[in-house]
Amino acid sequence: QQQVKQSPQSLIVQKGGISIINCAYENTAFDYFPWYQQFPGKGPALLIAIRPDVSEKKEGRFTISFNKSAKQFSLHIMDSQPGDSATYFCAAKGGTSYGKLTFGQGTILTVHP
Amino acid sequence: GAVVSQHPSRVICKSGTSVKIECRSLDFQATTMFWYRQFPKQSLMLMATSNEGSKATYEQGVEKDKFLINHASLTLSTLTVTSAHPEDSSFYICSAREAGVGETQYFGPGTRLLVL
Repeated sequence: QQQVKQSPQSLIVQKGGISIINCAYENTAFDYFPWYQQFPGKGPALLIAIRPDVSEKKEGRFTISFNKSAKQFSLHIMDSQPGDSATYFCAAKGGTSYGKLTFGQGTILTVHP
Repeated sequence: GAVVSQHPSRVICKSGTSVKIECRSLDFQATTMFWYRQFPKQSLMLMATSNEGSKATYEQGVEKDKFLINHASLTLSTLTVTSAHPEDSSFYICSAREAGVGETQYFGPGTRLLVL
């Protein structure tokens, strides 16, 4: 119930392409869905977040699409750049988690120049 | 804004010794801080939730007596790994949530612990 499943495990994209990472959840009490970016040896940094009352949120090249009925949400990175190469984690908060985040397994994104 | 620092960034210690890691929110007050552990190429695993002025809440399977957490002020939480062993070697990351402001967690840069 508390799991967040993330796919793919790894992703290779050419510069300028679109990177898409997907997450699915079971717990309908989740009410906050952030995406984090993590570079090797660093802590995660918040990229963008969404609430379930919105179907899409865009910030620069990053867009979250949210499908409440399917219990799925995805991160789209437009015009992917080599500097976007990092590990991306989706997460979810809510239910009985008392503010805790449940993280997906992570996606290693590599953007080739 | 919303900067979280950790100290030290890297630490190497001998087996059996204790190591203290500090987590500070630099420009905001954090009533709640979280401590995570991350093994190579894996996701973040929540160890405990730390609330200012009260005892930490540990996740199932995390030894309270081994991982001591203290959240003495609204800007500082500490994690002490007691009697560290090689299997405790990992990347420890804290996060902080600003008091009364949404649910965004801001993460520190992490502390790499190596126990020899």
